[in-house]
Amino acid sequence: DIQMTQSPASLSASLEEIVTITCQASQDIGNWLAWYQQKPGKSPQLLIYGATSLADGVPSRFSGSRSGTQYSLKISRLQVEDPGIYYCLQGYSAPLTFGSGTKLEIK
Amino acid sequence: QVNLLQSGAALVKPGASVKLSCKASGYTFTDYYIHWVKQSHGKSLEWIGYINPNSGYTNYNEKFKSKATLTVDKSTNTAYMELSRLTSEDSATYYCTIGVMDAWGQGASVTVSS
Repeated sequence: DIQMTQSPASLSASLEEIVTITCQASQDIGNWLAWYQQKPGKSPQLLIYGATSLADGVPSRFSGSRSGTQYSLKISRLQVEDPGIYYCLQGYSAPLTFGSGTKLEIK
Repeated sequence: QVNLLQSGAALVKPGASVKLSCKASGYTFTDYYIHWVKQSHGKSLEWIGYINPNSGYTNYNEKFKSKATLTVDKSTNTAYMELSRLTSEDSATYYCTIGVMDAWGQGASVTVSS
């Protein structure tokens, strides 16, 4: 199975700050990487697919990038509505696997 | 707009089975695979498997192969997941989601307790 190592586990940042979350894949997954945001008591919501493509309706302050087997989600200017848990997902091969999650809070 | 409406919370006894439903609307049911995802309380997400609603073909995470059975009813645009021989480890919220997981059901809580 492909392991997705996500970091950090938790993160506290100030409003308007730049935030970066990373996922390291245990093998090549190409661009088969998505990012999700989950708020308490809610279903996950797709932010980024294909490693870098912004999902419909997602604010442009979210962006995704790839360097080899390392993938990053960047929030360019943290907003009050951005706290939650963020997950990466590899869709390259079954079983599909998620990262362990990053809990983002406002400082 | 795409909507996935899941069945409500279930309280089931150890050793029993439960069948969860996911009724789809707002798109052509056979156009997208339907995935099921497990989230234990306070934990990350686990992919259970998917079903191709057109052919009925399924692909399971090995971990859930003897636990979950995925089916669909094309006449009602509904997907089902049956979980068998339930234990406390199966207590979780279960989601259905489609395609690149850009639409999700609201989740169904399953509690296994005597």
